[in-house]
This record gives sequence, structure tokens and C-alpha cells, in this order.
Amino acid sequence: DAGVIQSPRHEVTEMGQEVTLRCKPISGHNSLFWYRQTMMRGLELLIYFNNNVPIDDSGMPEDRFSAKMPNASFSTLKIQPSEPRDSAVYFCASSFKGISSGNTIYFGEGSWLTVV
Amino acid sequence: AQKVTQAQTEISVVEKEDVTLDCVYETRDTTYYLFWYKQPPSGELVFLIRRNSFDEQNEISGRYSWNFQKSTSSFNFTITASQVVDSAVYFCALEPGAQKLVFGQGTRLTINP
Repeated sequence: DAGVIQSPRHEVTEMGQEVTLRCKPISGHNSLFWYRQTMMRGLELLIYFNNNVPIDDSGMPEDRFSAKMPNASFSTLKIQPSEPRDSAVYFCASSFKGISSGNTIYFGEGSWLTVV
Repeated sequence: AQKVTQAQTEISVVEKEDVTLDCVYETRDTTYYLFWYKQPPSGELVFLIRRNSFDEQNEISGRYSWNFQKSTSSFNFTITASQVVDSAVYFCALEPGAQKLVFGQGTRLTINP
């Protein structure tokens, strides 16, 4: 079975450029998460969607970051304009949220972003 | 506040030794879930185990075992007879009922041949 698919795997871009990261969740999952991993801050939840609706975006750093989920099988995380401090690994993850909590969240392989 | 503490930043052992990774959590929720994830050098995050707060039974899966103790708010992970392929960063995580995983800082485990 296909897991969470992220693209690009690696991206190097210049400061000020727009960056778009893409994610395809596991088929049948109805919750999608974007996490960021840095050495200083570890793994941070940026935003999560349930049934394509953003539920909590309190982790989004600032207005330069935006995320969309136009349908159940696709999401994007956009940074515009990008800055060197945005350099990190961005993980997309998905789960099936049923009646109870504690559903296992499965992660993609990450998008390694370097802003120079 | 919801918090996960992995006090061991790095651990290095020789192959075949047993090693325990500590995880202490804080939450006021009575229902919560605990997880362990493995991040090998290739970078992906691999799910290892999920445990809910009402199930304190220890679990064993091959060389891996987990000890959940609510009395000390701990969910420790032991690898028996470690192997070089176990080298990775291991994350403990807490889901306090709102499907927002809170991760610890991770423990970097190095198994030397």
C-alpha cells in the first residue's frame, strides 16, 4: 500500500522565492498534518486538516506560510517569500480520525528545504 | 500543559547490548495516547507503537519492548540485543485527546559494531 507521498524530496531555493510543498495522504485517511523539524525546535505541528477543513493552524509561523487542502487526496504548504530560517524538513502525515482519538499518524518521507 | 521529555539526548552502545530509552510525559487529560517513532538516517518517521492511557500492559515485539507506568508518567522503550540497524533517532510522542501529537526532543541512538 502506498504511504504518504511528499514532493519534492529536496529543494534548494533563494531567499524571497516562493516554495510549494505537496502531499498526497494515504487513501481513506481523513486527517492531514504538516509538521516542521529543525534542530532547534524539534518536531512542530504547523497545521492539521480534518475532512479537508483546517482545524488548527496555530502552529503556522507567520503569514508567509499558507496551507490548502482542495480535496481528500492532495494538500500544499506554501511559503512566500521564503527566508533562510525556513530551512527545515517538512513532514506531511495522515491518519483516519474516527470517533475516538489516538489514531495512528503516518508520516511521509519529508521535504528537505534549504533557503539560501 | 502537555509535554514529553526525553532526557537522554544521545546514547551509544556496542552491538548486542540492551538499551533503554526513557520517556516521561505530562498531561492533565485522563484519556491520552502515547507513541514511539523511529527516524533512521534516511530521515523518514516510522511508527513503532501506540498505547492508550487505560492499557498499562507491557508490550513486546521481537527485540523491542515497552514499559508503560502511569504512576510515574513514563513510557520507556527497550531494545534487547541491539543491532547496528537500530541506529536512529527515536521519538516519544503524546496525543492528549485532541489529535495533536506532542513530540519529545528525541534520543539519538548509535549502535557500534
